[in-house]
Amino acid sequence: AQSVAQPEDQVNVAEGNPLTVKCTYSVSGNPYLFWYVQYPNRGLQFLLKYITGDNLVKGSYGFEAEFNKSQTSFHLKKPSALVSDSALYFCAVRDWGLNAGNMLTFGGGTRLMVKP
Amino acid sequence: DAGITQSPRHKVTETGTPVTLRCHQTENHRYMYWYRQDPGHGLRLIHYSYGVKDTDKGEVSDGYSVSRSKTEDFLLTLESATSSQTSVYFCAISESGGGYTFGSGTRLTVV
Repeated sequence: AQSVAQPEDQVNVAEGNPLTVKCTYSVSGNPYLFWYVQYPNRGLQFLLKYITGDNLVKGSYGFEAEFNKSQTSFHLKKPSALVSDSALYFCAVRDWGLNAGNMLTFGGGTRLMVKP
Repeated sequence: DAGITQSPRHKVTETGTPVTLRCHQTENHRYMYWYRQDPGHGLRLIHYSYGVKDTDKGEVSDGYSVSRSKTEDFLLTLESATSSQTSVYFCAISESGGGYTFGSGTRLTVV
C-alpha cells in the first residue's frame, strides 16, 4: 500500500521569508511524487513532480522540492514567499510498479498562509 | 481546466433523491477518477476507470456507482443521496505514468 503524510495542517510565513511544506511518503517500490496547489473554489493545479534523476526538482511559480530517499521525504520549498502563494497544498505519491490503476494517493493537505 | 469539464458546478438536492455528476474530457486519456474533498480528510478516491466499461472501487465507494460508456465521459451516481454525501467532488484524468489533471469541481449539498 502507498501512503502520504503531511504533518502540518497549516504553515504561516511572512512575505519574503523562505517557506517549507513537509511531506513524507511510503511505497513498496520506487515512487512518483507530486505537489499540487488548490486556490479557493478551484480544482487542484499541478506544481511539480519527481520521477527519477536530480533530487531537486523545480516547478511552477518559483517552487521547488527536494526528494530524499533515505528520509522518504519530498518537501516543497520556495526561497521567498508571496502573499499570492497562500493556498492549500497537496503532496501525492504513486508506486511505479504495483499500481495498475495509475492511482495517486494524496496527503491531507497543508494550508499555507503568507502574511504581508 | 483545459480538456476536462465537470457538470453541474453546484447542486442542491434532497435526501433520498438520485444524483448524477458528469465528467467530460477531450484529451482521450485512459484513466479517469472521482474524488471527494472534505475538511480534515483531504482527497479520497471514490471510483476510478481504466478504460471504457472498466471501473473499480476506491477508498470510499459505498453509496456511489459509476459508468463509462465512452472514453470521454465518466459519470458518478448517488443512487439515494444522504447528508453525509455533501461534499466537493473532483474528477481527474491521467495517462499511464503521469500525474493528474483535475476538473474544477462540483459542490453538492444534500438537504
